[in-house]
Amino acid sequence: KAGVTQTPRYLIKTRGQQVTLSCSPISGHRSVSWYQQTPGQGLQFLFEYFSETQRNKGNFPGRFSGRQFSNSRSEMNVSTLELGDSALYLCASSPRVPQTEAFFGQGTRLTVV
Amino acid sequence: GESVGLHLPTLSVQEGDNSIINCAYSNSASDYFIWYKQESGKGPQFIIDIRSNMDKRQGQRVTVLLNKTVKHLSLQIAATQPGDSAVYFCAENTGNQFYFGTGTSLTVIP
Repeated sequence: KAGVTQTPRYLIKTRGQQVTLSCSPISGHRSVSWYQQTPGQGLQFLFEYFSETQRNKGNFPGRFSGRQFSNSRSEMNVSTLELGDSALYLCASSPRVPQTEAFFGQGTRLTVV
Repeated sequence: GESVGLHLPTLSVQEGDNSIINCAYSNSASDYFIWYKQESGKGPQFIIDIRSNMDKRQGQRVTVLLNKTVKHLSLQIAATQPGDSAVYFCAENTGNQFYFGTGTSLTVIP
C-alpha cells in the first residue's frame, strides 16, 4: 500500500506570494491533517479534514487555509507569504476520526525569501 | 505533551544497549498516544501506539509504557542499533487533534 504522498518536496517562494501544497493520503484513509514543523516551535497543528469538511483548526492566521476533495486528497494554501512561514509542512492521514494510527508524508520544505 | 519547541533533550546510548525515552503529557483526557521516529530530512514515522485503557504494549524491539496517574509515557528500544538514531516524538490525542512533544534526539554510539 502506498504511503502518504506530498508534493512538491521543496519549494522556494518570495515574500507576498501564495503557495499551494498537495497531499495524497493512504488509500482508504479519509482523515487528513496538516502540520507545520519548525526548529523553534516543533510540530504545530494546522487543520484536519474528514469527508471534505474541516473538522478541527489550529491557531494559525487566516492566511493558512485548506480543503479536501472527494477522493480524500487535500491541499493547503498559504497566501501573502511571510519569512516566518518557512518550515517543513507535513501531512498525516488516518483511516478514521477521532484520528488513530496517523501516518505522515515526507513533507514539503517551504523556504520564503 | 503539547509542543513547546524550545529545547530538544538528547540521549546517547551504546549500540546493543537498551534505550528509554520519556515523555510527559499534559491532558488527562488524552486517550490515545503514538510514538514517532523522525530521521533527518524525513517525515515522522509511526512506531507504536497505545490506548489509555492499556498500561503496556509491545512491538518489534519496542515497548511503550503508559502511566496515567502521573501522565507519563515511555518508549523502550531493545538492543539499540545505529539505525535507531533519530528524533523521537510522543503524541497525545484527546479526540480532537494530536499534540506533539518537543522530541528527544537519540544518538547510538557504535
